[in-house]
Amino acid sequence: KNQVEQSPQSLIILEGKNCTLQCNYTVSPFSNLRWYKQDTGRGPVSLTIMTFSENTKSNGRYTATLDADTKQSSLHITASQLSDSASYICVVSDLRRYSGGYQKVTFGTGTKLQVIP
Amino acid sequence: EAQVTQNPRYLITVTGKKLTVTCSQNMNHEYMSWYRQDPGLGLRQIYYSMNVEVTDKGDVPEGYKVSRKEKRNFPLILESPSPNQTSLYFCASSTLGGPYGYTFGSGTRLTVV
Repeated sequence: KNQVEQSPQSLIILEGKNCTLQCNYTVSPFSNLRWYKQDTGRGPVSLTIMTFSENTKSNGRYTATLDADTKQSSLHITASQLSDSASYICVVSDLRRYSGGYQKVTFGTGTKLQVIP
Repeated sequence: EAQVTQNPRYLITVTGKKLTVTCSQNMNHEYMSWYRQDPGLGLRQIYYSMNVEVTDKGDVPEGYKVSRKEKRNFPLILESPSPNQTSLYFCASSTLGGPYGYTFGSGTRLTVV
């Protein structure tokens, strides 16, 4: 069964500090991995997408890494801001396409990050 | 603005009273899906649709119904809500055939008493 596990479950850091969130997956065959940011009570918003051949991708202060051999990804946040307080969800897509082009995705349960002044 | 619109944002209802949560997208996406989100469980798929009149069950479909009569709309129907359906619900849409991410709605917080 495809699984996506994220760690830690929750994290509190001081404003201005860096942090790294982890995502381990068993989805196979692998297509792509996305990190989403979800503000409390709002819908998730995509931050980055990583495909099999990509090791690192940045989006401002967010840098995602992917090791397809060990099936691990990380999301590094640099110089955290109060607005980074949110849940971060790792989502992995299965390479197989079902009829109509549908790709099954597996969601992690998220890491809840709180940035405090 | 490209978006997925859900209504209502908040809903309190009583056990057994039928309700519908609407979802509409303006991006001409083929794929639409409903999720529920509960603490510690993450997002779980209820139903999805790959096009008009094409729907299928997700991981937790019991107690829910959907329909896709138009491409832009994908309502979620609870015929007889129960307290265990109290949750935060999200509608999402996407194109098919590429590594495209989902666009999520803002969510509907449902409480069944």
